[in-house]
Amino acid sequence: NAGVMQNPRHLVRRRGQEARLRCSPMKGHSHVYWYRQLPEEGLKFMVYLQKENIIDESGMPKERFSAEFPKEGPSILRIQQVVRGDSAAYFCASSQVSYEQYFGPGTRLTVT
Amino acid sequence: DAKTTQPPSMDCAEGRAANLPCNHSTISGNEYVYWYRQIHSQGPQYIIHGLKNNETNEMASLIITEDRKSSTLILPHATLRDTAVYYCIVRVEGSSNTGKLIFGQGTTLQVKP
Repeated sequence: NAGVMQNPRHLVRRRGQEARLRCSPMKGHSHVYWYRQLPEEGLKFMVYLQKENIIDESGMPKERFSAEFPKEGPSILRIQQVVRGDSAAYFCASSQVSYEQYFGPGTRLTVT
Repeated sequence: DAKTTQPPSMDCAEGRAANLPCNHSTISGNEYVYWYRQIHSQGPQYIIHGLKNNETNEMASLIITEDRKSSTLILPHATLRDTAVYYCIVRVEGSSNTGKLIFGQGTTLQVKP
């Protein structure tokens, strides 16, 4: 049973470019969560999605960040016009309903 | 979700049991205690969770006090690969409205040879 998959594992973007991070949940999981870990800091919740619905986006920055989980395909976290402060590890997790969450290996975003 | 308090760091000798405490004195009756760990820069790994009864799986045991205000995660025979940051989190389970995990600073466990 494949775990949560994230790609790319490493992403380098210049300031002002767009970053797209993908997350494929575990088989049978319909709930996806995104977390961000800034350098030397703890994990912070960003957004919680079910298929085609955003359930909780209380941790998402108000501008430039968006997330989706379409009926088909992976969940996408999109960061427009990236800035150096967006450099971080972005982790995706999935679950059945709202039980234990299983995390992917993360995408490390570096903004130059 | 209730707040948790953990010691910032602990050491453990390889092969010995590691006992990681967590205080959650404001826990509600429908909140579960979850434990995760993060090894170096990897994605967090689910370990175990429980409501009020003690739980055991292939990774660890979870002991919850009778008043549920504190708990202890036990790694019975710690290895060097168990060196990680361990997070104790309380949350409501099974609710479609409350999915997020709130990570504190956790306990950095250093297993020494």
